[in-house]
Amino acid sequence: TQLLEQSPQFLSIQEGENLTVYCNSSSVFSSLQWYRQEPGEGPVLLVTVVTGGEVKKLKRLTFQFGDARKDSSLHITAAQPGDTGLYLCAGSTGANNLFFGTGTRLTVIP
Amino acid sequence: KAGVTQTPRYLIKTRGQQVTLSCSPISGHRSVSWYQQTPGQGLQFLFEYFSETQRNKGNFPGRFSGRQFSNSRSEMNVSTLELGDSALYLCASSLLNAFSYGYTFGSGTRLTVV
Repeated sequence: TQLLEQSPQFLSIQEGENLTVYCNSSSVFSSLQWYRQEPGEGPVLLVTVVTGGEVKKLKRLTFQFGDARKDSSLHITAAQPGDTGLYLCAGSTGANNLFFGTGTRLTVIP
Repeated sequence: KAGVTQTPRYLIKTRGQQVTLSCSPISGHRSVSWYQQTPGQGLQFLFEYFSETQRNKGNFPGRFSGRQFSNSRSEMNVSTLELGDSALYLCASSLLNAFSYGYTFGSGTRLTVV
């Protein structure tokens, strides 16, 4: 079973601060996805990265896939209360399922 | 377009009973996957169906089963419920596979076993 470790597990910051969430594994992934889950809802896909070293930007969110395709990071600039939620990375080995990370619970305080 | 619909949203069952959960995927999506989410274990993969066939299976006991119908709707069944089965069960659909297209998740069914 591929294990995806996310850090930190919990993060509480003030509105306007920057933050980075990490997703690490000893396995190589064909692609890696990031999801955000809000209370009472299912996860929502934010981005998919497939190429080692790839960087994708989604407004204030920047996603990076490691060169060796074993790790990824999510950087949020000027966090807002609406960014609050559980952030999950998920890796695929090309099979028809994703392995989800342990999650980072982010709270942005107004 | 309509999202992934899961019913019921909440369910309370007694140990030893069985339960059936339902999932209607996004129209046109042929792949349906099921996940169990708990605070301690996170999201754990149960199984994936594509065109009425189970294409992939996670490491869960045989008490957990599923099926997919010709209209891509899916059901999962848990027999002889145990207290540890209490969890949020999430259904996710994908156009063809999660690898390329990612998942669209439903809001989940929260199952409580007492």
